[in-house]
Amino acid sequence: EPEVTQTPSHQVTQMGQEVILRCVPISNHLYFYWYRQILGQKVEFLVSFYNNEISEKSEIFDDQFSVERPDGSNFTLKIRSTKLEDSAMYFCATNRGAEKLFFGSGTQLSVL
Amino acid sequence: QKEVEQNSGPLSVPEGAIASLNCTYSDRGSQSFFWYRQYSGKSPELIMSIYSNGDKEDGRFTAQLNKASQYVSLLIRDSQPSDSATYLCAVNKSGGSNYKLTFGKGTLLTVNP
Repeated sequence: EPEVTQTPSHQVTQMGQEVILRCVPISNHLYFYWYRQILGQKVEFLVSFYNNEISEKSEIFDDQFSVERPDGSNFTLKIRSTKLEDSAMYFCATNRGAEKLFFGSGTQLSVL
Repeated sequence: QKEVEQNSGPLSVPEGAIASLNCTYSDRGSQSFFWYRQYSGKSPELIMSIYSNGDKEDGRFTAQLNKASQYVSLLIRDSQPSDSATYLCAVNKSGGSNYKLTFGKGTLLTVNP
């Protein structure tokens, strides 16, 4: 089965630092997402991205967050000034159309 | 108001038994419904999707949807220890390609050998 690849698997950063989480979507997929899951909590939608622009974003996705597809293959989530409460597992997900959504294996972000 | 609610469990069943997982949702405009399995520290894995009222069967799994009652369920027949995981109910307001999913907190299922 095709895979969504996420790097790094673990990221440790100091509060206030910028982090970039990377995702390589499945090659013919058109829709890209970021979800996050704080330890012990539910999976939460952050943002969806289609046709090189944000199609929807949640209340969580404020000005400290941004997404881009810099080179037509990678899909990145940037957190500009990390806070302690940003510590979570971040999942990239992609789909081609109205079919199965594929989740990546996640990046565990720890903000100290 | 919680949008997607599930019993957190744990739900414990013996091997070979039927496990029944339930979910309610608040948005009547929801169009598509999903059950994901999540092992500890791993990403969600799609088990079933259902879009219309009634039952949908896939192997040992049956999803049931009742839009009037805003209720979705998952039955796992002949439960195996490998089924032990957290089961996430997810709802999409859109029936199309944009997967802005709202997840429940999940039900922890333990299948005892």
